[in-house]
Amino acid sequence: QSALTQPPSASGSPGQSVTISCTGTSSDVDDYKYVSWYQQLPGKAPKLIIYEVNKRPSGVPDRFSGSKSGNTASLTVSGLQAEDEADYYCSSYAGSSNLLFGGGTKLTVL
Amino acid sequence: EVHLLESGGGLVQPGGSLRLSCVASGFTFSSYVMTWVRQVPGKGLERVSVIISSGGDTFYADSVKGRFTISRDNSKNTLYLQMNSLGVEDTAVYYCARGQRWSDYWGQGTLVSVSS
Repeated sequence: QSALTQPPSASGSPGQSVTISCTGTSSDVDDYKYVSWYQQLPGKAPKLIIYEVNKRPSGVPDRFSGSKSGNTASLTVSGLQAEDEADYYCSSYAGSSNLLFGGGTKLTVL
Repeated sequence: EVHLLESGGGLVQPGGSLRLSCVASGFTFSSYVMTWVRQVPGKGLERVSVIISSGGDTFYADSVKGRFTISRDNSKNTLYLQMNSLGVEDTAVYYCARGQRWSDYWGQGTLVSVSS
């Protein structure tokens, strides 16, 4: 069982917005500002797309945004494009070098 | 450009050992916390081990504690993971990744298969 809970799947049509949730506990998501999100294309390594809840690394489109409320974090992909079809993983720092991951959400662009 | 390149994976029998390596380039390796993250094919991610920049402190997931040892050679820009007493549950792609509170760069991964 994964430490953080994500829906197994999400979908949307091109141009639409989709939000993926990530639920933790008071010991991780709610306790730290270090929520991050990763995009994993088939057969590839994960790629960081959001860190510190809502910051984007250089080169990540601003269509990707993150937020957090209490023990639930969210990733929103706006203006969906076919290339966004991938697995998305959330993670939260939980102290003492412990980084917890969600089980992953498969995003399908219809 | 940051680059992480893992090697050392392969097929090993239960109870066997393997040593993974990760060669880093494009950044000051000795300044960063480095980690190993594994992924069972088709499943999620699990951080298995962390080592601070100097190598003086380490972290292990409960699932590998006592069996795996992380180390680094800052003079060679190389991260290691010594894996002993391997079980079928250790079958996964192993990634090296940079960073403690999030991982901003990942290698391409090396597959470890434990099977008789």
